[in-house]
Amino acid sequence: GQQLNQSPQSMFIQEGEDVSMNCTSSSIFNTWLWYKQDPGEGPVLLIALYKAGELTSNGRLTAQFGITRKDSFLNISASIPSDVGIYFCAGGNTGNQFYFGTGTSLTVIP
Amino acid sequence: NAGVMQNPRHLVRRRGQEARLRCSPMKGHSHVYWYRQLPEEGLKFMVYLQKENIIDESGMPKERFSAEFPKEGPSILRIQQVVRGDSAAYFCASSPRDRTDTQYFGPGTRLTVL
Repeated sequence: GQQLNQSPQSMFIQEGEDVSMNCTSSSIFNTWLWYKQDPGEGPVLLIALYKAGELTSNGRLTAQFGITRKDSFLNISASIPSDVGIYFCAGGNTGNQFYFGTGTSLTVIP
Repeated sequence: NAGVMQNPRHLVRRRGQEARLRCSPMKGHSHVYWYRQLPEEGLKFMVYLQKENIIDESGMPKERFSAEFPKEGPSILRIQQVVRGDSAAYFCASSPRDRTDTQYFGPGTRLTVL
């Protein structure tokens, strides 16, 4: 099946620092989604992107839909301890299945 | 407005038994998706259903696994004759009729096969 490459695999940062992660695909998608998953819980939708070049914010989170439609980026500004978790990207096309990245594990050191 | 509900949250089965996982989508959502997640891995798509209709089951193993979403009641993922390799977290997601490209996840069912 389709493989989405997500990087970095893990990050250890100091509280207050900014975070950047990205996701790339070999296929073109018309939708990119970003999720956060806490241990033992289901993924929670953070941001949805529907148009190439689109930049969307949700509080301290900002995500961008790459111009090539084969990549997406997520930035977290001024990280706080509750940002800890695993972040997943997902790419797909309307009416079809979504493919998930392998996740970026974020640890925030107070 | 309740979110996606899944039960049971934890399920333990012995090899050879059957596992039934249930998913109730968010109110007003008519599309359901099932995913499997192994430890330290991302989610792998299994099947996409609408009411009384399987749209895409390309991620479902050909044997022992089946899924349904009846006109009334929750969606069911059924695994017959479970094996140790079936141990995983199974997540259900739903989306509304007009936005099939935005999926909301349930808390998952963690299946352990002894």
